[in-house]
Amino acid sequence: EAGVAQSPRYKIIEKRQSVAFWCNPISGHATLYWYQQILGQGPKLLIQFQNNGVVDDSQLPKDRFSAERLKGVDSTLKIQPAKLEDSAVYLCASSPLGTGTGWDTQYFGPGTRLTVL
Amino acid sequence: GNSVTQMEGPVTLSEEAFLTINCTYTATGYPSLFWYVQYPGEGLQLLLKATKADDKGSNKGFEATYRKETTSFHLEKGSVQVSDSAVYFCALSIRGFKTIFGAGTRLFVKA
Repeated sequence: EAGVAQSPRYKIIEKRQSVAFWCNPISGHATLYWYQQILGQGPKLLIQFQNNGVVDDSQLPKDRFSAERLKGVDSTLKIQPAKLEDSAVYLCASSPLGTGTGWDTQYFGPGTRLTVL
Repeated sequence: GNSVTQMEGPVTLSEEAFLTINCTYTATGYPSLFWYVQYPGEGLQLLLKATKADDKGSNKGFEATYRKETTSFHLEKGSVQVSDSAVYFCALSIRGFKTIFGAGTRLFVKA
């Protein structure tokens, strides 16, 4: 079974530029998550999709971050414009069910390391 | 609110030593508890989980018991190996709410 795919693996941009990350979840997984992991901290949920719909985006800085999940499969996370504090690893994860069960296992991709100069 | 607190690292051990990484939680409701591990250069992966009080999760020689009375889910391994060097994350999930991760504990195992 193929895992969660993410690209690119690394990205360096200057502040005020825009950037986009792509994620392909495990086939058949209903739920897709985007996390931000700042160095030395645990992952923080940015947005969660259940199929096509958004379940939770309460911690997404909506003035600069946007995300979409087309046809309930792939997803793109965009930052525009980027700030220095956006430097982090952006993790995509998927799970078969979702937080509706409370015990669903999440499967993570390798992440995209973003550096904003 | 819901939160997870785990011991700060790094933790440095010699091969075959006993490992304990402490994790305590605060939750409104009845959470499921998880340990995820992140090996160098890789994404997080589930190590073990427990879904109700007194359950013990186990995998690859690691164990953790869900203790409701002490709100804890400490990770233990009797004899660590160099290949166990990684960052370990404790997490909780409550039905209908997002998963909360701890800050992570880095483990170094010396040969």
